[in-house]
Amino acid sequence: DVKVTQSSRYLVKRTGEKVFLECVQDMDHENMFWYRQDPGLGLRLIYFSYDVKMKEKGDIPEGYSVSREKKERFSLILESASTNQTSMYLCASRPGLAASPLHFGNGTRLTVT
Amino acid sequence: GQNIDQPTEMTATEGAIVQINCTYQTSGFNGLFWYQQHAGEAPTFLSYNVLDGLEEKGRFSSFLSRSKGYSYLLLKELQMKDSASYLCAVRGSNDYKLSFGAGTTVTVRA
Repeated sequence: DVKVTQSSRYLVKRTGEKVFLECVQDMDHENMFWYRQDPGLGLRLIYFSYDVKMKEKGDIPEGYSVSREKKERFSLILESASTNQTSMYLCASRPGLAASPLHFGNGTRLTVT
Repeated sequence: GQNIDQPTEMTATEGAIVQINCTYQTSGFNGLFWYQQHAGEAPTFLSYNVLDGLEEKGRFSSFLSRSKGYSYLLLKELQMKDSASYLCAVRGSNDYKLSFGAGTTVTVRA
């Protein structure tokens, strides 16, 4: 079974802090994704990476950046956390084939105060 | 833009059948996914439709009509463990950008 592991289940940070969310997958998947999930809005794509060191903006990239230095690891960075970034963050991965389903991590609940 | 609509909530009795509808208007269409998400857990893959018709997987079936921009997920012989949120996601013209609906929360009552 594919395992996607997010480093933290819950995080509380202060406004203005730099925040790192880490995600690791163990199935050699080419593609990795970061979503945020908010009530009534569904999952929204922040950034994705189709290969090592390659990254593309999703639908809501403002205030975020990403890093993918190794195939198995995809990091989401909040350069200066703000209260409107309080959310559930979900990492996902899949093989390079677009029809493949996403495999999600359990999520990180981030609260910015 | 992308627009995916599904009902917010549905309630059904154990042993019954529930149908969750999803309508979409997207830039291109290359397939539709259904995911199940239990409270506090990761979404997990249920089904994928790319051609019109019904796909059956045990108690769960998914239907697609591309001409109508419509899909449904059918849950039969409902069990308490089926209480969860069900997410509809469309693969449009960009292979990397799935468009998700807001999810339908299904509550199964005894």
